[in-house]
Amino acid sequence: GAVVSQHPSRVICKSGTSVKIECRSLDFQATTMFWYRQFPKKSLMLMATSNEGSKATYEQGVEKDKFLINHASLTLSTLTVTSAHPEDSSFYICSARTPGGANYGYTFGSGTRLTVV
Amino acid sequence: GENVEQHPSTLSVQEGDSAVIKCTYSDSASNYFPWYKQELGKGPQLIIDIRSNVGEKKDQRIAVTLNKTAKHFSLHITETQPEDSAVYFCAASINYGQNFVFGPGTRLSVLP
Repeated sequence: GAVVSQHPSRVICKSGTSVKIECRSLDFQATTMFWYRQFPKKSLMLMATSNEGSKATYEQGVEKDKFLINHASLTLSTLTVTSAHPEDSSFYICSARTPGGANYGYTFGSGTRLTVV
Repeated sequence: GENVEQHPSTLSVQEGDSAVIKCTYSDSASNYFPWYKQELGKGPQLIIDIRSNVGEKKDQRIAVTLNKTAKHFSLHITETQPEDSAVYFCAASINYGQNFVFGPGTRLSVLP
């Protein structure tokens, strides 16, 4: 089946530095990818929709200058957390719509645990 | 906008018993309702989904029912096993998958 590969799975960074998270669709093309944030024991909150070749669409309240999204190819979307602070520590998850005609679905990556110290 | 509620927030069942998780949604335009299973430290995995033109769907031990009039849908797991223990999220969306809104999740524990 369709696989979405997300890296790194865990990252620890210092306050003020930037961190890049990659999301790749394996063996299928994803024109649209989604980025979610999940706090401990909470549900997934959509941050932005990443469209290949165009600017991402951010949800209300999400700072686009802080969470930079790049979707330069049909198989890769990246989320860069710029000037990270401890409050940015969270579980970040990407997803992509998988092809399949009437049997499409959405596949999630394995998530990235970001800890800002 | 869409609002999805999910109950219960935690559920413990004995191995072999059935588990039922219920969700309600607010936007009558929603037409796609997936269920995801999330294990600790991992991304959600789709386990079953249903579209608004179907009232029930079953896949082995898992079934989902949809009542469009009442705007609620439920996940049914029969003959539960310890490996079913996880957090389950329901979601609703319009346009068959755009703009998912997730429920708050249900932590299911299957006791051996």
